Amino acid sequence: AQTVTQSQPEMSVQEAETVTLSCTYDTSESNYYLFWYKQPPSRQMILVIRQEAYKQQNATENRFSVNFQKAAKSFSLKISDSQLGDTAMYFCAFIIMNRDDKIIFGKGTRLHILP
Amino acid sequence: GAVVSQHPSRVICKSGTSVKIECRSLDFQATTMFWYRQFPKQSLMLMATSNEGSKATYEQGVEKDKFLINHASLTLSTLTVTSAHPEDSSFYICRAVSMGRDTDTQYFGPGTRLTVL
Repeated sequence: AQTVTQSQPEMSVQEAETVTLSCTYDTSESNYYLFWYKQPPSRQMILVIRQEAYKQQNATENRFSVNFQKAAKSFSLKISDSQLGDTAMYFCAFIIMNRDDKIIFGKGTRLHILP
Repeated sequence: GAVVSQHPSRVICKSGTSVKIECRSLDFQATTMFWYRQFPKQSLMLMATSNEGSKATYEQGVEKDKFLINHASLTLSTLTVTSAHPEDSSFYICRAVSMGRDTDTQYFGPGTRLTVL
């Protein structure tokens, strides 16, 4: 079965600090996409970053970067210079390529950025 | 701007009534739409997958007669909660995926908050 585990239900950090959200997943497939989604209080799902499993280079998007360890099936999200607007629920997820487009979500990590 | 819309954004209804939620892809053709429900402080739970022109595929434990899904066109899918009860109160989110396998072209709707009194 495909699963995603986010071991940190809730985290708090001071504004401007760096925070890392952990995610591990389990799949027997070799071709998949990994995602981090942000869900702010508005509850709109916002794509933060994505990583193709066949790419070794870690994806980055401005202050957001990932540490993708395929062998360990780990996909952590680092947020640098955190801002108050980063306060949200963060979901780690993946999709198996060329399958059914179903997203497998983790349970989420609630991140609070403190002023 | 938004590429997937949902209507209504909020709805309050009486127990026993039916509620229809629309999900529209605004500037791309969505061959597949997914419907999720989300309880407070929880993750998204997939309810069903709908492909344009065919019957929806429901996840285990989801009552297909209660949650009617129609995907009549490449830009519109509807979820109808029939004979709603208070336990159906939840946040419902759709996700639209375009033709082909480019996972860039997949977007979530803004969600619909359903409250059943």
